[in-house]
Amino acid sequence: NAGVTQTPKFQVLKTGQSMTLQCAQDMNHEYMSWYRQDPGMGLRLIHYSVGAGITDQGEVPNGYNVSRSTTEDFPLRLLSAAPSQTSVYFCASRGMSNTGELFFGEGSRLTVL
Amino acid sequence: SQQGEEDPQALSIQEGENATMNCSYKTSINNLQWYRQNSGRGLVHLILIRSNEREKHSGRLRVTLDTSKKSSSLLITASRAADTASYFCATDRGGANNLFFGTGTRLTVIP
Repeated sequence: NAGVTQTPKFQVLKTGQSMTLQCAQDMNHEYMSWYRQDPGMGLRLIHYSVGAGITDQGEVPNGYNVSRSTTEDFPLRLLSAAPSQTSVYFCASRGMSNTGELFFGEGSRLTVL
Repeated sequence: SQQGEEDPQALSIQEGENATMNCSYKTSINNLQWYRQNSGRGLVHLILIRSNEREKHSGRLRVTLDTSKKSSSLLITASRAADTASYFCATDRGGANNLFFGTGTRLTVIP
């Protein structure tokens, strides 16, 4: 089983460029979310979705957009990349009716120069 | 701000010893979870403990929860080199949707 798949694994951007981090899950999970992980900061929630067509902001949403047109996909868009967005990004999903265990992708390491 | 703070930030032990990591949190919770992260990888769920539970076991893992002190501990018994990883606690802040993570404990088990 593929689980949660993130692409790309590595990306280097210049300040001001835009890009989309892709996330797909094949577990028919209703809930999906994006976190960023920075040294000494743990994981911080960026955006989340509880189903197709429904998205909401997390703790650190500024500079990021999301959409949820299908159950499977939850892309994260950086509109105008800034060096402060250099981080490792994780997508995670779970079903709405389970105990709340999150399933994580392997991460996307983004560097903004 | 982070929901949880793990203590210690880093822990180094010999193989075969027990490892104890602590987590403190700030708000009421429905449940608390522990996750493991190997270097360069995604997080993997280890164990969940509900707010009305005080202790839970899974293999070599033992988790305790003290809601009056807003704290939890994760004990790994008879540690192995393969247990080397970062360990994170996460809580739901009493809500239904999201998990909020602590800053993690980096565990090194020396063979």
